Amino acid sequence: QVQLQQWGAGLLKPSETLSLTCGVYYGSFSGYYWSWIRQSPEKGLEWIGEIDQRGNTNYNPSLKSRLTISVDTSKNQFSLKLTSVTATDTAVYYCARGVFDVWGQGIMVTVSS
Amino acid sequence: IAMTQTPLSLSVSPGQPASISCNSSQSLLHRSGKTYVYWYLQKPGQSPQLLIYEVSSRFSGVPDRFSGSGSGTDFTLKISRVEAEDVGTYYCMEGIFRTFGRGTKVEIK
Repeated sequence: QVQLQQWGAGLLKPSETLSLTCGVYYGSFSGYYWSWIRQSPEKGLEWIGEIDQRGNTNYNPSLKSRLTISVDTSKNQFSLKLTSVTATDTAVYYCARGVFDVWGQGIMVTVSS
Repeated sequence: IAMTQTPLSLSVSPGQPASISCNSSQSLLHRSGKTYVYWYLQKPGQSPQLLIYEVSSRFSGVPDRFSGSGSGTDFTLKISRVEAEDVGTYYCMEGIFRTFGRGTKVEIK
């Protein structure tokens, strides 16, 4: 059964770059879009963006100017980079497959000086 | 697209039904003829899990006490007989811009 495992830095200072990676295990990487989603008390669940194995991306317009999602098919991994973070980017970040039928465990990312 | 979910919270006795509504700010009927509305449950301390896709299809392993319905802009998730394991926050989501509702917290009386 496919599993998603996430990792990355959990504490950032304002203006730094948030960087997370999600690994896909025990399942096919191709044929799906892979998404990043975040959850905060203020905004609830917010879709960030997605990528497929060819590198085709779709981004949330509200984050697009700061966002890069990339893929490494040799490792069955995809990554999120969000630049110039502020306190409003503090959230639990999840990776998920397709229509969000499989989720990662979530990582709490805090932006604080 | 805005997804307005009601109620914000629900307290239900075991074995009783529950109903959650989700209203979208515009029709979710896609040109493909499909309507992309999804329902998720986030149990305490866990990642969300998919319950219902495309309005009314139950995801693999989801008990048949869960059902989804609706069309256009109005959608409903129903639990025919609430069980203790159903506690958590339920979210609707539209599949075009991937906008989530704010959630409905379900607890057991």
